[in-house]
Amino acid sequence: AQRVTQPEKLLSVFKGAPVELKCNYSYSGSPELFWYVQYSRQRLQLLLRHISRESIKGFTADLNKGETSFHLKKPFAQEEDSAMYYCALSPMNTGFQKLVFGTGTRLLVSP
Amino acid sequence: DAGITQSPRHKVTETGTPVTLRCHQTENHRYMYWYRQDPGHGLRLIHYSYGVKDTDKGEVSDGYSVSRSKTEDFLLTLESATSSQTSVYFCAISERTSGSTRYEQYFGPGTRLTVT
Repeated sequence: AQRVTQPEKLLSVFKGAPVELKCNYSYSGSPELFWYVQYSRQRLQLLLRHISRESIKGFTADLNKGETSFHLKKPFAQEEDSAMYYCALSPMNTGFQKLVFGTGTRLLVSP
Repeated sequence: DAGITQSPRHKVTETGTPVTLRCHQTENHRYMYWYRQDPGHGLRLIHYSYGVKDTDKGEVSDGYSVSRSKTEDFLLTLESATSSQTSVYFCAISERTSGSTRYEQYFGPGTRLTVT
C-alpha cells in the first residue's frame, strides 16, 4: 500500500533558524515525490519535486531511497515561510496522477 | 491558477440534504480530481475523472458521487449530507509543468462545507 507519513503536525522555529520537515513514504516501486505548500488563504501549490533537484524559495529536498524519505530543508527560515506543507507521492509521471498526501506539517516562523 | 474555479466557496447545509459542488476549468484539461482536506488527514482523493463521462472512485468515495458531462465542469454531489462530511473540498487538474515534460496538479481555491 502507498503511504506518506509526516510525523510533525506543527514545527515552530525562529527566523533565521534551520528548518527540516520530515516525510517518509512506503511504496514498492519508484514513485515521484512532491512537496506542496498552502499559504494562508491561498491555494495549494507545488513547491518542488524530487526529479527536478532544484531549490525553490531556498528549500531543497533529497530523495533517500534507502530510508524512503524525502525531507524538506531550508538553512535559514523566513517569516514568509509560515504555511502548511504537504508531502505527496505519485506512482508514475503521467497526465493522470493519483496523488497520496501526508497529513501535513504546519510551519510557524516567529520573528 | 490553471483557470480553475469552484462554487460555492462557502456553504452551510443541514444533515440529510443533497449538496452539489461545482468545479469549473477553462483550459480544456483532461484530468480532474476532487479531494477533501481535514485536520489530521491531509488531503484525500474522493473521485477523479479522466475525460467526459469517465470517472472513478478514490480513497474516500462513500457518500459522494460525481458527474462530468462536459470537459469544463466536474460536479461533486453529497447525496445525503452528514456531519462527517464537514470539510474543505478542493478540485484539481493535472497538467504539464510549464517548460517541462513532468506533470503537476493545480488546485482550485476550495469550498468550505459545514453540515449542521
